[in-house]
Amino acid sequence: EIVMTQSPATLSVSPGERATLSCRASQSVGSNLAWYQQKPGQAPRLLIYGASTRATGIPARFSGSGSGTEFTLTISSLQSEDFAVYYCQQYNNWPPVTFGGGTKVEIK
Amino acid sequence: EVQLLESGGGLVQPGGSLRLSCAASGFDFSGYAMNWVRQAPGKGLEWVSAISSAAGSTYYADSVKGRFTISRDNSKNTLFLQMHSLRADDTAVYYCAKPRIWGSWGSDAFAIWGQGTMVTVSS
Repeated sequence: EIVMTQSPATLSVSPGERATLSCRASQSVGSNLAWYQQKPGQAPRLLIYGASTRATGIPARFSGSGSGTEFTLTISSLQSEDFAVYYCQQYNNWPPVTFGGGTKVEIK
Repeated sequence: EVQLLESGGGLVQPGGSLRLSCAASGFDFSGYAMNWVRQAPGKGLEWVSAISSAAGSTYYADSVKGRFTISRDNSKNTLFLQMHSLRADDTAVYYCAKPRIWGSWGSDAFAIWGQGTMVTVSS
């Protein structure tokens, strides 16, 4: 099973600032990496798939990069609605698909 | 509009059973593999099970293998999760999730999620 490790666990950022979230895989997942956003009481929402492709309707301030074992989600200028928990997921080697433990982006 | 609507959650005693349903609408349900993903209170996401579009193949997380059964009724656009021998650590919100690509099997992100149904296992 591929283990996904996200860092940091919590990121404190001021509105308008840039946020950089990291995700590491225990072995290569190629580009089969997705990012999800989850707000309290809501289901996860797909942001990025294929490591760098934005899902339908996702604003351009969200970008993904990386391949193999190291991945990054960048939010270029945080808006109030972006404060949430973000999860990475690998779907290269399955079953099982596996998720990282999440990064909570909170208001500084 | 593409929608998934879970139901069937509730409070059940340890060792009990429960059957979850996920009603799909707005897309060609029979052409998509489907998944269940769960989230324990205050915790992260855990994939539970997957079923191929024609129900010919199924996979389970080790934590539920032998206790849970995934199935689907393509004539009714509905996904199911039959859960037996429930334990306290099965307590979670259970989501059904649809992949991005029609006909994909496994190697695909989850584009659409339902709102979830809460399962609480407690005496």
